[in-house]
Amino acid sequence: DAGVIQSPRHEVTEMGQEVTLRCKPISGHDYLFWYRQTMMRGLELLIYFNNNVPIDDSGMPEDRFSAKMPNASFSTLKIQPSEPRDSAVYFCASRAGTANTGELFFGEGSRLTVL
Amino acid sequence: AQKITQTQPGMFVQEKEAVTLDCTYDTSDPSYGLFWYKQPSSGEMIFLIYQGSYDQQNATEGRYSLNFQKARKSANLVISASQLGDSAMYFCAMRVEDGSGGYNKLIFGAGTRLAVHP
Repeated sequence: DAGVIQSPRHEVTEMGQEVTLRCKPISGHDYLFWYRQTMMRGLELLIYFNNNVPIDDSGMPEDRFSAKMPNASFSTLKIQPSEPRDSAVYFCASRAGTANTGELFFGEGSRLTVL
Repeated sequence: AQKITQTQPGMFVQEKEAVTLDCTYDTSDPSYGLFWYKQPSSGEMIFLIYQGSYDQQNATEGRYSLNFQKARKSANLVISASQLGDSAMYFCAMRVEDGSGGYNKLIFGAGTRLAVHP
């Protein structure tokens, strides 16, 4: 089975530009999570969806960040305008609602560098 | 407040020996789940092992075992017979209640970097 697929793997952009990160969860998983990893703050949950509906977006840092999940197989995280402090690795993860343990399956991450 | 603490920024171990990575947690919920993930230098997050708060026995998965001491609120990871490929960052995580009343959010510790020496 294919795992969680993220794109792009690497993105270098200039301050002020719009950045869109994409995620395809594992088929059949009804929860999708966006995490951000930095040296200073570690792994932080930004937002998560259940059945395509945003449930908790309390971790979204600012209005510059937005996330959507138009269908069960696709989600985007958008930063507009981007700033150097947004440089991080962004992970998408999914899990099945029926999973007894509830472990998350992570994508390989999108490394964002904002110059 | 709900929190995961990993006090060892770095550890090293000789190949074939066992190593314990520490994790303590803080929660007032009677029901919770604890996880360990491995992050090799390539960057992906790999699930290793899970322990539920009501599980009577310590979880084991191959060479990984979780030393769960509920009264002390600790969930240490034990890796037996270390291999060079075990060199990575290791994160302890806990499933907690989120702002919507759900129970789906994972919070992570700062991680421990393990180096396995030949």
